[in-house]
Amino acid sequence: DGGITQSPKYLFRKEGQNVTLSCEQNLNHDAMYWYRQDPGQGLRLIYYSQIVNDFQKGDIAEGYSVSREKKESFPLTVTSAQKNPTAFYLCATATGPSTGELFFGEGSRLTVL
Amino acid sequence: GDSVTQMEGPVTLSEEAFLTINCTYTATGYPSLFWYVQYPGEGLQLLLKATKADDKGSNKGFEATYRKETTSFHLEKGSVQVSDSAVYFCALRDDYKLSFGAGTTVTVRA
Repeated sequence: DGGITQSPKYLFRKEGQNVTLSCEQNLNHDAMYWYRQDPGQGLRLIYYSQIVNDFQKGDIAEGYSVSREKKESFPLTVTSAQKNPTAFYLCATATGPSTGELFFGEGSRLTVL
Repeated sequence: GDSVTQMEGPVTLSEEAFLTINCTYTATGYPSLFWYVQYPGEGLQLLLKATKADDKGSNKGFEATYRKETTSFHLEKGSVQVSDSAVYFCALRDDYKLSFGAGTTVTVRA
């Protein structure tokens, strides 16, 4: 099956711990994205990557880090520096710098206790 | 920068009612416009899109027309069903970035 797999679906962590959310795709898409969703605020862009070994900060990158060592994978680390990490995180892909749509994974819900 | 403003919710309707969700945008270039739908606990699914002025996107009975003169992309459906209950997001894409509106929660009652 072609698609985007995010894991884990639910994650609980204690305050001060770093956590890494996985995003894997087999769509052969060049671009990958991480969005954060909070109630009533829509989606906000954290990081995006246009090609392997390259990524750019989005609108709310502080407290997050990413890597893009393989085309298929774009993991997001939520560090202890992120002040309010509890949220729903969505990974997305796109074919490139065009006007086409983004394709989304099913999301990972992170709760910091 | 680019931005999207959409009608605030929540919106509650009866089955077979007419639905409109307003969306306006600000962009410096010539973006593509999208409507995405999100069902509870899930990611976003593309509902419809339009890539240039006067294009009409349509899917599952929903329609939206790209109006450059009014910078709008309003979503409409003539007769909603309970299964249309979801959160709807208007979005625009210019180059790599996709910018979203805040989302409108729609609840359809039987």
